[in-house]
Amino acid sequence: GAVVSQHPSWVICKSGTSVKIECRSLDFQATTMFWYRQFPKQSLMLMATSNEGSKATYEQGVEKDKFLINHASLTLSTLTVTSAHPEDSSFYICSARGGERANTEAFFGQGTRLTVV
Amino acid sequence: DAKTTQPTSMDCAEGRAANLPCNHSTISGNEYVYWYRQIHSQGPQYIIHGLKNNETNEMASLIITEDRKSSTLILPHATLRDTAVYYCIVRVGSLGLTFGKGTHLIIQP
Repeated sequence: GAVVSQHPSWVICKSGTSVKIECRSLDFQATTMFWYRQFPKQSLMLMATSNEGSKATYEQGVEKDKFLINHASLTLSTLTVTSAHPEDSSFYICSARGGERANTEAFFGQGTRLTVV
Repeated sequence: DAKTTQPTSMDCAEGRAANLPCNHSTISGNEYVYWYRQIHSQGPQYIIHGLKNNETNEMASLIITEDRKSSTLILPHATLRDTAVYYCIVRVGSLGLTFGKGTHLIIQP
C-alpha cells in the first residue's frame, strides 16, 4: 500500500507551548488528509478533514483555534496543537487518500504520541 | 455512515483461518465495506474493501453477503503477527472513517 509518514513519532512538551506534527504522503499525491486522535483504550476519533489548498473541516467539539491544520501541498499536512495542556495528551494519527473515486482507500501514518507535562 | 457491529474479541489458532464477522444491516447502496487493523500503538493498516462482490488480495479475503447486510474478513493462515484490533467500517465518498470498537483478534500459538 501507499506510504504515509508522520513526524515526530513522539513528543513531550510543557504545558502552554505549541507542538507541530507533520504528515507526508511519500509516494502519492494526497488530495484529502484526515487527522484523528486516540485516547488510551479507546477507538480513533476523527478530528478534521483537510483538502489541499482549502480550509479544514472540523468535527463537532474540536476547537479549530486550538488544533490548527494546514494542507498547503498535495504531500504535506500539518497539525499544530496550540497552548497544549495535559488533557491534550493523546495519540494523534493522520491518514491520506489520493483519489477522488468514491472507493479510494485511505492510508495511515504511524501516529504521534503527544505527552504534555 | 452506517453503523457496524463486531464481536468484541476472538481467538484463533496460529496457522488456521481467522474469520471475522461484521454486521452492517443499515448499509446504503453507495457505501463500501472497509477493513483496517491496528496493532498496539501503531496507526491503522488498510486491509481490503469491497462494494458487492467478494474481494481477495495478498492479505485477506472479503466475503459480502448478497443483501450486503453483513460481511466476513478471512485471514487464510493466521500468524502471531496478525494479533490486532480489526475494524469493519462502511463509508461513502470521501468522508473520514468512523471507527467503532472493533474486534480484538488474538492468535494463539
